[in-house]
Amino acid sequence: DVVMTQSPLSLPVTLGQPASISCRSSQSPKYSDGNTYLNWFQQRPGQSPRRLIYKVSNRDSRVPDRFSGSGSGTDFTLKISRVEAEDVGVYYCMQGAQWPVTFGQGTKLEIK
Amino acid sequence: EVQLVESGGTLVQPGGSLRLSCLASGFTFSAYSMHWVRQAPGKGLQYVSAINSNGDRTFYTDSVKGRFTISRDNSKSTLYLQMSSLRPEDTAVYYCVKAETGTYNDWGQGTLVTVSS
Repeated sequence: DVVMTQSPLSLPVTLGQPASISCRSSQSPKYSDGNTYLNWFQQRPGQSPRRLIYKVSNRDSRVPDRFSGSGSGTDFTLKISRVEAEDVGVYYCMQGAQWPVTFGQGTKLEIK
Repeated sequence: EVQLVESGGTLVQPGGSLRLSCLASGFTFSAYSMHWVRQAPGKGLQYVSAINSNGDRTFYTDSVKGRFTISRDNSKSTLYLQMSSLRPEDTAVYYCVKAETGTYNDWGQGTLVTVSS
């Protein structure tokens, strides 16, 4: 199985400051169709996960533009330009190119 | 609006059985693969099982092979997970997830399965 490794696992951030989460995959999540199926999910406390980013850098329609995804090969990053209180939660990367799909361990973002 | 509503989670003894259901609405259920993903208390996300759109192909993570069976009834827009020989390590919130190639678009609210004596 493809191993997804996130860092840091805990991320205390001051309101209004930027935040960055790294995700490294043991194999490239590039599929035979040419797409790179690297996703980011946010799970707020007590809620289900919701997708933020798909195919590395495509933001879902309901997601604020302060969230952005980037990367290639086996290294990917989720950035929040200015953290707001509603961003508290756990963030997961997920690869969907190789079977079975696999998730990172999660990064817990909290307000400092 | 896509809605996925899971049900069936409860407390069950080790070795017991349980069937989870997921009622889907807001999209053409029969056109999509569907997955089950679980989350043990305080832990991360783990893929459990998947089924293709017409139900003739199923997939399982190794730890549940031979114990869990995924199925669907497209006429009822409902996804199922039949769980047997349950173990304490199966304790988790089980999410029903709508899948497209390489991604999970939508998640249900989850249903809690607790395996304990």
